[in-house]
Amino acid sequence: DTAVSQTPKYLVTQMGNDKSIKCEQNLGHDTMYWYKQDSKKFLKIMFSYNNKELIINETVPNRFSPKSPDKAHLNLHINSLELGDSAVYFCASSQIPTAYGYTFGSGTRLTVV
Amino acid sequence: AQSVTQLGSHVSVSEGALVLLRCNYSSSVPPYLFWYVQYPNQGLQLLLKYTTGATLVKGINGFEAEFKKSETSFHLTKPSAHMSDAAEYFCAVSPPGDDMRFGAGTRLTVKP
Repeated sequence: DTAVSQTPKYLVTQMGNDKSIKCEQNLGHDTMYWYKQDSKKFLKIMFSYNNKELIINETVPNRFSPKSPDKAHLNLHINSLELGDSAVYFCASSQIPTAYGYTFGSGTRLTVV
Repeated sequence: AQSVTQLGSHVSVSEGALVLLRCNYSSSVPPYLFWYVQYPNQGLQLLLKYTTGATLVKGINGFEAEFKKSETSFHLTKPSAHMSDAAEYFCAVSPPGDDMRFGAGTRLTVKP
């Protein structure tokens, strides 16, 4: 009965490859997000989706593309992976308004070699 | 634009001692304020939040925080630290209608 689930938990891949990370929430939330956490634990928002509309894109390279087939899913596709993409990626969801806070997934640790 | 500053990237306390993690924010409108905890190799978990009303809010695991508008602060406290409190703590601000911004995090170490 996991609220926000991400797969895979670990992902090791070579430079130049294309990979996807999947996220699903069963909370009925309106908005989903992707965050990147670097090695110093800093959290940077990448995208958010509300009713299938992209409402935030924080200067993320266009190699990253979010895809939302429905309200409960927000997948992250990354093209031409680079060493600097190595990080932990978190999916989150929230109701609107955000007074209730965000619910986070357990993260996907991406390592590009 | 809103922002969050957490004073001290690393705080170390002895088991049983007071925990104080500092957070200051800037926002053009009264924001929602949050504290999250991240245990190793896990996602972020909501500890507590302030939206409106009573300025002293209580959360899980014995933590509480006080919203002080005049000081633009939302410091997190716990009277007596436990070994299981060792984790990364994030303060976050979210003005109504806007997305959430996180501080840089404070790593709490608890010594036996």
